[in-house]
Amino acid sequence: RKEVEQDPGPFNVPEGATVAFNCTYSNSASQSFFWYRQDCRKEPKLLMSVYSSGNEDGRFTAQLNRASQYISLLIRDSKLSDSATYLCVVNDNAGKSTFGDGTTLTVKP
Amino acid sequence: DGGITQSPKYLFRKEGQNVTLSCEQNLNHDAMYWYRQDPGQGLRLIYYSQIVNDFQKGDIAEGYSVSREKKESFPLTVTSAQKNPTAFYLCASRGWGTEAFFGQGTRLTVV
Repeated sequence: RKEVEQDPGPFNVPEGATVAFNCTYSNSASQSFFWYRQDCRKEPKLLMSVYSSGNEDGRFTAQLNRASQYISLLIRDSKLSDSATYLCVVNDNAGKSTFGDGTTLTVKP
Repeated sequence: DGGITQSPKYLFRKEGQNVTLSCEQNLNHDAMYWYRQDPGQGLRLIYYSQIVNDFQKGDIAEGYSVSREKKESFPLTVTSAQKNPTAFYLCASRGWGTEAFFGQGTRLTVV
């Protein structure tokens, strides 16, 4: 089993749709969690951190469920510019930083 | 400007040759990472280092070597033992408890 597993995707949605991505992790000692966005042939860039209390940044909402060991990302009112690959990242208490395989989102007019 | 720099951006290697990819950061980060990404795939961890003169194998370390002689630098050598080295290589660094910052990557092609 992979340490970090994401929804396989791809997700193809119309503009204005709401889409949710899920990510599960196996190490219960994991300490910090993030969502990254990666555009084609570019490096990943931080989208948002994920906190236990949940956090929101505009149209994006991230949630963490430590008991069930999963994190989620919700995108509301999808824009064409949201088309990208979304990666979840889990950092353990030994400094290891593990990425999921990513979920590709395509938003269509 | 603070940041993380990888060089070169594109690299071509003949089969059987070793090649070293450079990664430098001036963010004063303790931890540095090397990942490999194949087309349409996620990032796989090769090596990581939490502190100078110490590093750990990631999930796919075979055929690669690293050194961490300085806090700012974490070069990756792709050796001839790596059977399928053509890939996009990404270096990252992060401070304690913070997110990782990436370099722009090096695309290695074996010719």
